[in-house]
Amino acid sequence: EVQLVESGGGLVKPGGSLTLSCRTSGFNFGDAWMTWVRQAPGRGLESVGRIKSRADGEFADYAAPVHGRFSMSRDDSRSTLYLRMNSLRPEDTAMYYCALMVGYGHLDNWGQGSLVTVSS
Amino acid sequence: QSALTQPASVSGSPGQSITISCTGTSEEFSKYNYVSWYQQRPGEVPKLMIFDVSSRPSGVSDRFSGSKSGNTASLTISGLQADDEADYYCGSYTLISTVIFGGGTRVTVL
Repeated sequence: EVQLVESGGGLVKPGGSLTLSCRTSGFNFGDAWMTWVRQAPGRGLESVGRIKSRADGEFADYAAPVHGRFSMSRDDSRSTLYLRMNSLRPEDTAMYYCALMVGYGHLDNWGQGSLVTVSS
Repeated sequence: QSALTQPASVSGSPGQSITISCTGTSEEFSKYNYVSWYQQRPGEVPKLMIFDVSSRPSGVSDRFSGSKSGNTASLTISGLQADDEADYYCGSYTLISTVIFGGGTRVTVL
Protein backbone atom coordinates (compact mmCIF):
# COMPACT_ATOMS: atom_id res chain seq x y z
CA GLU A 1 0.00 0.00 0.00
CA VAL A 2 1.31 3.43 -0.96
CA GLN A 3 1.68 5.76 2.00
CA LEU A 4 2.86 9.36 2.22
CA VAL A 5 3.19 11.03 5.61
CA GLU A 6 4.04 14.72 5.92
CA SER A 7 5.52 16.31 9.02
CA GLY A 8 7.23 19.51 10.10
CA GLY A 9 4.41 22.02 9.83
CA GLY A 10 3.61 24.60 12.47
CA LEU A 11 3.44 28.27 13.33
CA VAL A 12 6.25 30.49 12.06
CA LYS A 13 6.74 34.25 11.98
CA PRO A 14 6.92 36.17 8.70
CA GLY A 15 10.41 36.00 7.31
CA GLY A 16 11.07 32.72 9.07
CA SER A 17 11.94 29.29 7.71
CA LEU A 18 10.52 25.81 7.97
CA THR A 19 11.28 22.40 6.49
CA LEU A 20 8.57 19.89 5.70
CA SER A 21 9.25 16.17 5.29
CA CYS A 22 7.26 13.57 3.43
CA ARG A 23 8.09 10.02 4.40
CA THR A 24 6.93 7.45 1.86
CA SER A 25 6.49 3.69 1.55
CA GLY A 26 4.85 1.13 -0.71
CA PHE A 27 6.48 2.13 -3.99
CA ASN A 28 9.90 2.62 -5.52
CA PHE A 29 10.61 6.13 -4.30
CA GLY A 30 13.90 6.34 -6.17
CA ASP A 31 12.13 6.10 -9.52
CA ALA A 32 9.35 8.51 -8.60
CA TRP A 33 8.66 12.09 -9.54
CA MET A 34 7.22 13.87 -6.52
CA THR A 35 5.29 17.08 -6.02
CA TRP A 36 4.18 19.46 -3.32
CA VAL A 37 0.72 21.00 -3.54
CA ARG A 38 -0.70 23.52 -1.10
CA GLN A 39 -4.17 24.71 -0.21
CA ALA A 40 -4.78 27.94 1.64
CA PRO A 41 -7.76 27.93 4.04
CA GLY A 42 -10.97 27.97 2.02
CA ARG A 43 -9.10 28.16 -1.27
CA GLY A 44 -8.23 25.85 -4.15
CA LEU A 45 -5.26 23.66 -4.92
CA GLU A 46 -1.99 25.28 -5.93
CA SER A 47 1.15 23.53 -7.10
CA VAL A 48 4.31 24.38 -5.21
CA GLY A 49 6.76 22.38 -7.27
CA ARG A 50 7.92 19.08 -8.69
CA ILE A 51 11.15 17.14 -8.38
CA LYS A 52 12.22 14.48 -10.84
CA SER A 53 13.90 11.20 -10.02
CA ARG A 54 17.68 10.93 -9.80
CA ALA A 55 17.71 9.02 -13.08
CA ASP A 56 15.97 11.98 -14.71
CA GLY A 57 18.43 14.45 -13.26
CA GLU A 58 16.66 15.27 -9.99
CA PHE A 59 15.62 18.61 -11.51
CA ALA A 60 13.11 20.67 -9.58
CA ASP A 61 10.60 23.16 -10.94
CA TYR A 62 8.76 25.69 -8.81
CA ALA A 63 5.60 27.74 -9.11
CA ALA A 64 6.17 31.45 -9.54
CA PRO A 65 4.92 32.50 -6.05
CA VAL A 66 7.57 30.37 -4.31
CA HIS A 67 10.43 30.46 -6.81
CA GLY A 68 13.65 31.53 -5.11
CA ARG A 69 12.25 31.03 -1.60
CA PHE A 70 11.33 27.33 -1.53
CA SER A 71 13.58 24.38 -2.32
CA MET A 72 12.73 20.71 -2.78
CA SER A 73 15.11 17.84 -2.16
CA ARG A 74 14.95 14.10 -1.75
CA ASP A 75 16.76 11.37 0.14
CA ASP A 76 16.21 8.18 -1.81
CA SER A 77 17.90 6.09 0.90
CA ARG A 78 15.17 7.21 3.31
CA SER A 79 12.35 7.36 0.72
CA THR A 80 11.74 10.88 1.95
CA LEU A 81 10.93 14.14 0.20
CA TYR A 82 11.69 17.56 1.69
CA LEU A 83 10.45 21.10 1.20
CA ARG A 84 12.63 23.85 2.61
CA MET A 85 10.67 27.11 2.90
CA ASN A 86 12.52 30.39 3.48
CA SER A 87 11.37 34.00 3.73
CA LEU A 88 7.88 32.84 4.61
CA ARG A 89 4.96 35.23 4.11
CA PRO A 90 1.44 35.23 5.55
CA GLU A 91 0.13 34.22 2.12
CA ASP A 92 2.13 30.97 2.40
CA THR A 93 -0.27 29.85 5.13
CA ALA A 94 -1.76 26.62 3.84
CA MET A 95 -2.06 22.88 4.14
CA TYR A 96 0.90 21.40 2.31
CA TYR A 97 0.44 18.03 0.63
CA CYS A 98 3.08 15.83 -0.93
CA ALA A 99 1.88 13.71 -3.82
CA LEU A 100 3.21 10.98 -6.09
CA MET A 101 3.25 11.99 -9.75
CA VAL A 102 2.77 9.17 -12.25
CA GLY A 103 2.25 8.80 -15.96
CA TYR A 104 1.66 12.11 -17.70
CA GLY A 105 1.57 14.28 -14.63
CA HIS A 106 -1.39 13.04 -12.65
CA LEU A 107 -1.18 12.84 -8.89
CA ASP A 108 -2.02 9.31 -7.92
CA ASN A 109 -1.49 9.33 -4.15
CA TRP A 110 -1.55 12.14 -1.63
CA GLY A 111 -0.41 12.51 1.95
CA GLN A 112 -2.70 13.77 4.68
CA GLY A 113 -1.06 17.18 4.66
CA SER A 114 0.94 19.35 7.03
CA LEU A 115 -0.41 22.72 8.13
CA VAL A 116 1.87 25.73 7.90
CA THR A 117 0.74 28.99 9.52
CA VAL A 118 2.74 32.16 8.94
CA SER A 119 1.74 34.81 11.43
CA SER A 120 3.28 37.24 13.87
CA GLN B 1 1.68 29.93 -18.14
CA SER B 2 -1.66 28.39 -18.91
CA ALA B 3 -4.66 29.09 -16.75
CA LEU B 4 -7.49 26.62 -16.27
CA THR B 5 -11.00 28.02 -15.83
CA GLN B 6 -13.80 26.10 -14.14
CA PRO B 7 -17.31 27.20 -13.15
CA ALA B 8 -17.51 28.05 -9.46
CA SER B 9 -20.48 25.79 -8.87
CA VAL B 10 -22.66 23.16 -10.49
CA SER B 11 -25.71 21.53 -8.98
CA GLY B 12 -28.06 18.71 -9.81
CA SER B 13 -30.71 16.45 -8.34
CA PRO B 14 -30.05 12.85 -7.34
CA GLY B 15 -29.98 10.61 -10.39
CA GLN B 16 -29.26 13.42 -12.82
CA SER B 17 -26.09 13.93 -14.83
CA ILE B 18 -23.92 17.00 -14.50
CA THR B 19 -20.90 18.19 -16.44
CA ILE B 20 -18.04 20.35 -15.19
CA SER B 21 -15.95 22.17 -17.76
CA CYS B 22 -12.28 23.09 -17.63
CA THR B 23 -11.01 25.51 -20.23
CA GLY B 24 -7.31 25.98 -20.85
CA THR B 25 -5.56 28.86 -22.56
CA SER B 26 -2.36 27.25 -23.82
CA GLU B 27 -1.63 25.44 -27.05
CA GLU B 28 -0.08 22.69 -24.92
CA PHE B 29 -3.40 22.09 -23.16
CA SER B 30 -5.20 21.75 -26.46
CA LYS B 31 -2.54 19.55 -28.01
CA TYR B 32 -1.90 16.98 -25.27
CA ASN B 33 -4.19 14.71 -23.24
CA TYR B 34 -2.57 15.42 -19.88
CA VAL B 35 -5.78 16.37 -18.05
CA SER B 36 -6.73 14.90 -14.70
CA TRP B 37 -9.62 15.45 -12.30
CA TYR B 38 -9.60 15.40 -8.50
CA GLN B 39 -12.43 15.12 -6.00
CA GLN B 40 -12.07 16.73 -2.59
CA ARG B 41 -14.81 16.18 -0.06
CA PRO B 42 -14.91 18.61 2.90
CA GLY B 43 -12.08 17.95 5.30
CA GLU B 44 -10.56 15.26 3.09
CA VAL B 45 -7.49 14.84 0.92
CA PRO B 46 -7.90 15.25 -2.85
CA LYS B 47 -8.56 12.01 -4.70
CA LEU B 48 -7.68 11.27 -8.31
CA MET B 49 -10.85 10.50 -10.29
CA ILE B 50 -9.77 10.76 -13.94
CA PHE B 51 -6.37 10.88 -15.64
CA ASP B 52 -5.21 11.30 -19.22
CA VAL B 53 -8.55 12.97 -20.03
CA SER B 54 -10.74 9.88 -19.76
CA SER B 55 -9.04 7.06 -17.85
CA ARG B 56 -10.32 5.99 -14.44
CA PRO B 57 -8.08 4.69 -11.66
CA SER B 58 -8.99 1.36 -10.18
CA GLY B 59 -11.84 1.72 -7.70
CA VAL B 60 -13.38 4.88 -9.15
CA SER B 61 -17.01 4.48 -10.13
CA ASP B 62 -17.84 4.36 -13.83
CA ARG B 63 -20.39 7.08 -13.14
CA PHE B 64 -17.43 9.42 -13.54
CA SER B 65 -16.23 10.03 -17.08
CA GLY B 66 -13.97 12.52 -18.79
CA SER B 67 -13.60 13.97 -22.24
CA LYS B 68 -11.84 16.78 -24.08
CA SER B 69 -12.47 18.79 -27.18
CA GLY B 70 -10.05 21.46 -28.27
CA ASN B 71 -9.22 23.65 -25.31
CA THR B 72 -12.04 22.40 -23.05
CA ALA B 73 -11.98 19.28 -20.91
CA SER B 74 -15.09 18.00 -19.15
CA LEU B 75 -15.94 15.78 -16.22
CA THR B 76 -19.39 14.19 -16.26
CA ILE B 77 -20.99 12.63 -13.22
CA SER B 78 -23.95 10.46 -14.10
CA GLY B 79 -26.52 9.12 -11.66
CA LEU B 80 -25.66 11.88 -9.20
CA GLN B 81 -25.53 10.74 -5.57
CA ALA B 82 -25.43 12.60 -2.27
CA ASP B 83 -21.84 11.59 -1.59
CA ASP B 84 -20.74 13.15 -4.88
CA GLU B 85 -21.02 16.51 -3.12
CA ALA B 86 -17.49 17.84 -3.16
CA ASP B 87 -15.10 20.24 -4.81
CA TYR B 88 -13.72 19.07 -8.13
CA TYR B 89 -10.46 20.31 -9.62
CA CYS B 90 -9.08 19.80 -13.06
CA GLY B 91 -5.34 19.56 -13.45
CA SER B 92 -3.03 19.77 -16.42
CA TYR B 93 0.59 18.72 -16.64
CA THR B 94 2.95 21.09 -18.38
CA LEU B 95 6.07 19.80 -20.06
CA ILE B 96 8.40 22.43 -18.65
CA SER B 97 6.89 22.90 -15.24
CA THR B 98 4.63 21.33 -12.71
CA VAL B 99 0.91 20.60 -12.63
CA ILE B 100 -1.50 23.50 -12.83
CA PHE B 101 -4.98 23.35 -11.34
CA GLY B 102 -8.25 24.97 -12.14
CA GLY B 103 -9.94 27.08 -9.50
CA GLY B 104 -12.28 24.27 -8.49
CA THR B 105 -16.00 23.61 -8.88
CA ARG B 106 -18.34 23.03 -5.94
CA VAL B 107 -20.86 20.31 -6.77
CA THR B 108 -24.09 20.46 -4.83
CA VAL B 109 -26.66 17.69 -4.83
CA LEU B 110 -30.08 19.29 -4.42
